[in-house]
Amino acid sequence: ETGVTQSPTHLIKTRGQQVTLRCSSQSGHNTVSWYQQALGQGPQFIFQYYREEENGRGNFPPRFSGLQFPNYSSELNVNALELDDSALYLCASSSSGGQSNEKLFFGSGTQLSVL
Amino acid sequence: GNSVTQMEGPVTLSEEAFLTINCTYTATGYPSLFWYVQYPGEGLQLLLKATKADDKGSNKGFEATYRKETTSFHLEKGSVQVSDSAVYFCALRGAGSARQLTFGSGTQLTVLP
Repeated sequence: ETGVTQSPTHLIKTRGQQVTLRCSSQSGHNTVSWYQQALGQGPQFIFQYYREEENGRGNFPPRFSGLQFPNYSSELNVNALELDDSALYLCASSSSGGQSNEKLFFGSGTQLSVL
Repeated sequence: GNSVTQMEGPVTLSEEAFLTINCTYTATGYPSLFWYVQYPGEGLQLLLKATKADDKGSNKGFEATYRKETTSFHLEKGSVQVSDSAVYFCALRGAGSARQLTFGSGTQLTVLP
């Protein structure tokens, strides 16, 4: 049990729709990052937020956006859903803003299916 | 850019067998290296890490040594158990301004009784 909770656990959407995924960080953590894990693949970094500001972004288009709130919980928003967006979306929290040796605590993920 | 190449699976072993999962990486500078494990229906859990050359990370009987000369971080365990069945991911995090973990594609391990 990592203390990182994600909701919902499963979601089905159709192409072109918009989706919001939510993450509650572990207590005391001020940094949250999001990853996309396609079936049979390793997770791919989407972006990271530190104290409500985005401070790192992977190779994902602008229709992937996020927010971090004052309580350090976070949202991932995806607009104009495409079939290839079907994946497990993982949230991870940490307490040190992205230092190279820090430990990340992952949630169990949201499984998104786009039909 | 950074990349991680991981031994492809699936790997099937009998209980008490020796396990090796190979991992090599490409990165500039001196990254930190990690092994994460993912049990069915769960998120990733950190298994072990090493932050500089020749460091050995260890946890729950698993070990991996940071080899800069061969850019490798192979995972080993002397005697696997059925409960070790999971997907194992090798990952690195670059030094400096790099924020993200770069993961390998994962290796599915099944241990049979």
